[in-house]
Amino acid sequence: DAMVIQNPRYQVTQFGKPVTLSCSQTLNHNVMYWYQQKSSQAPKLLFHYYDKDFNNEADTPDNFQSRRPNTSFCFLDIRSPGLGDAARYLCATSRGLEGYEQYFGPGTRLTVT
Amino acid sequence: EDKVVQSPLSLVVHEGDTVTLNCSYEVTNFRSLLWYKQEKKAPTFLFMLTSSGIEKKSGRLSSILDKKELFSILNITATQTGDSAVYLCASSGYNFNKFYFGSGTKLNVKP
Repeated sequence: DAMVIQNPRYQVTQFGKPVTLSCSQTLNHNVMYWYQQKSSQAPKLLFHYYDKDFNNEADTPDNFQSRRPNTSFCFLDIRSPGLGDAARYLCATSRGLEGYEQYFGPGTRLTVT
Repeated sequence: EDKVVQSPLSLVVHEGDTVTLNCSYEVTNFRSLLWYKQEKKAPTFLFMLTSSGIEKKSGRLSSILDKKELFSILNITATQTGDSAVYLCASSGYNFNKFYFGSGTKLNVKP
């Protein structure tokens, strides 16, 4: 089945130790998004790619970076995780512009110790 | 500032009840409004609404959009315990690739 896959599902990292979360999709969608969702809060958009064009949200900390080497894969890099970065990170895809629905992966729950 | 506001924040009902969840939005050059159901995992897509007054229906769930009054409702009839979840509303506007999410309505359906 076509889907959005995130690995790992759970990630534990140490304070300040770089960590990379991955997302892949078999939907062949043009747009890939990364959201941060803290407990009991709505998902917060960090950035997205439309094809290779990277779009960063104004309030996304510099500590968060992303890479999209090809259509199928997108990575979220957290350069120096702090305790406040503990959250679920959701990857989503959409076919394109004009408000297409987004399809979410299962998320990666990040714990920072 | 673009925003989406959901109400109520939480709701407790009993099985068999009908519930209505509300979502109001202020989004520049509105394009679409989406409803998601989120249990202890990623949000699951329910409906996308772009036209006013046209009801979308899936089983016991239905939703409608009012572009004049800038709101949408999600109805769930004959609720079941499996409907317990957080229901998220999101809207996209001028920046087509950005969806503004509401804070969600936490629905608890008791047996």
